[in-house]
Amino acid sequence: GAGVSQSPRYKVAKRGQDVALRCDPISGHVSLFWYQQALGQGPEFLTYFQNEAQLDKSGLPSDRFFAERPEGSVSTLKIQRTQQEDSAVYLCASSSLGDPRDPTDTQYFGPGTRLTVL
Amino acid sequence: RKEVEQDPGPFNVPEGATVAFNCTYSNSASQSFFWYRQDCRKEPKLLMSVYSSGNEDGRFTAQLNRASQYISLLIRDSKLSDSATYLCVVNRGATNKLIFGTGTLLAVQP
Repeated sequence: GAGVSQSPRYKVAKRGQDVALRCDPISGHVSLFWYQQALGQGPEFLTYFQNEAQLDKSGLPSDRFFAERPEGSVSTLKIQRTQQEDSAVYLCASSSLGDPRDPTDTQYFGPGTRLTVL
Repeated sequence: RKEVEQDPGPFNVPEGATVAFNCTYSNSASQSFFWYRQDCRKEPKLLMSVYSSGNEDGRFTAQLNRASQYISLLIRDSKLSDSATYLCVVNRGATNKLIFGTGTLLAVQP
């Protein structure tokens, strides 16, 4: 079946531009996560949704970052007034359950959006 | 200090070799443990979960030592296709977020 999809796959922005990154999770998955992966580093957590509720946004690096999932399926990560340090791969992941106590609730990752800010 | 620490490598090994990766985590509240594999310019994919009793999946064996907060991955009879970055991952807290190490790069040579 279809996995997690993300668009665009590549985005080049001029410093100061706003960008919007889209994630289509696996159909029916309750949980959705956004991670940021800088070059040579492991992914770092940004935010988490259970259905349409944003339950954890502790990883968002500044108030320029905003995420939403209004209908509990597709999610958008928006970055306002992009800076060069925002250049990274933005990964979206989804999992079927909403139970964080269940370690078998595997997170499936999308291919990511590679953002380059000039 | 990062919450999950790994040797970044690279580990350059010949085909058929056995290679071991180690990882330590600092938060004793961590609940679940995983190894993910990430190929160059691709997304991370779950390789295996790690349990205290140890678990094996073909050529791959993972171990967890909660007392020492230490996780290991052993790959036997390395294949060229095993070349990738191996990410040590823990799951902590109420929201199931994953905490990743920086990854260990493995290059299997012919």
